Amino acid sequence: DVKVTQSSRYLVKRTGEKVFLECVQDMDHENMFWYRQDPGLGLRLIYFSYDVKMKEKGDIPEGYSVSREKKERFSLILESASTNQTSMYLCASGYSGRNEKLFFGSGTQLSVL
Amino acid sequence: GDSVTQMEGPVTLSEEAFLTINCTYTATGYPSLFWYVQYPGEGLQLLLKATKADDKGSNKGFEATYRKETTSFHLEKGSVQVSDSAVYFCALPPSSNTGKLIFGQGTTLQVKP
Repeated sequence: DVKVTQSSRYLVKRTGEKVFLECVQDMDHENMFWYRQDPGLGLRLIYFSYDVKMKEKGDIPEGYSVSREKKERFSLILESASTNQTSMYLCASGYSGRNEKLFFGSGTQLSVL
Repeated sequence: GDSVTQMEGPVTLSEEAFLTINCTYTATGYPSLFWYVQYPGEGLQLLLKATKADDKGSNKGFEATYRKETTSFHLEKGSVQVSDSAVYFCALPPSSNTGKLIFGQGTTLQVKP
């Protein structure tokens, strides 16, 4: 079975801290994604990566950056966490091409105080 | 542009009731359509998929038919169980062929015994 592993299930950080969310997949997928999930807003794409060191902005990239140094690992970075970044963060991976399904991690619930 | 619209929730049903969750879409071409489910405390997992017009996806008693004429992909189940309580997301890939998915806002289903 495909496994997408997010490093933390719950995280509590202070305003202004630099935050790293890590995601690892074991299926050699080209694509990896970071989504943010908020009540009433569904899933919104923050960033995605289609290859090592390659990235593209999603719908809400402001306040975030990403890093993909190895194919299996995709990191989301909050340079200076703010309270409006309190949310559930979901990592996903999948093969290239339209009509491919995505595989999701269990999510990281981040609280910024 | 490509988009997905789901009926608003929450939906509350008694056990063994019939379920319909509406999903309509706007898309370029004829992409695959997906339903994902998110059980409490978990990430999203693929529930079912349909790849072309008039195709019916099915899994775990759930069904959805790809209707090109009405641009719809409604999710149905004849008899829901308490264990079906979850958030359901309709999704489609955008025309950009990057492997991304566009998600609806999600519909929360609560089934009471």
